[in-house]
Amino acid sequence: NAGVTQTPKFRVLKTGQSMTLLCAQDMNHEYMYWYRQDPGMGLRLIHYSVGEGTTAKGEVPDGYNVSRLKKQNFLLGLESAAPSQTSVYFCASSRGLISSGYTFGSGTRLTVV
Amino acid sequence: QQQVKQSPQSLIVQKGGIPIINCAYENTAFDYFPWYQQFPGKGPALLIAIRPDVSEKKEGRFTISFNKSAKQFSLHIMDSQPGDSATYFCAASIKGGSQGNLIFGKGTKLSVKP
Repeated sequence: NAGVTQTPKFRVLKTGQSMTLLCAQDMNHEYMYWYRQDPGMGLRLIHYSVGEGTTAKGEVPDGYNVSRLKKQNFLLGLESAAPSQTSVYFCASSRGLISSGYTFGSGTRLTVV
Repeated sequence: QQQVKQSPQSLIVQKGGIPIINCAYENTAFDYFPWYQQFPGKGPALLIAIRPDVSEKKEGRFTISFNKSAKQFSLHIMDSQPGDSATYFCAASIKGGSQGNLIFGKGTKLSVKP
């Protein structure tokens, strides 16, 4: 009963490097989301997916790409990391019904130096 | 119009006090108002939620009050405990946020002193 699992939990990147954050959920949820959390800014949506093979932009999509090749996985990619992308990244999933809540992972703390 | 404004940014209360966190919104299409609780180093977790057809909802020591005409809602924590110390986020969505439209407030860091 893992829920939403994010890997890695911590990462330090140099400016210009690339990396992929992996999110996996075992609840058979249709919808998945990537958020970033910065001090004083709350949670801001980067990209989301309403089903396998679909993705859409959120509030702050620039500099990120995503893929949803399998229903249970949602990948977030940084092609050329910038210091402004230093943040804590959260993945979430939901059933997408009116009163369904989001289940969040425990986060990935990314530092770009 | 898509914003959810949350206040205060931080709050300190004594054990047993009743912290109140307020949120306001503009978009009348919002139909679901959840609150999330986040402990340090953890992801947010759904705490309690309300639909706009009711004015109040209680779950244990947590109560949401909803004022549709004022477009405001608030979280009250009765008999607060040090274990309630966390960051609280209000949010609002249309149709469960399934189209990426779960909008979060900026959060309130609550500290409950023993």
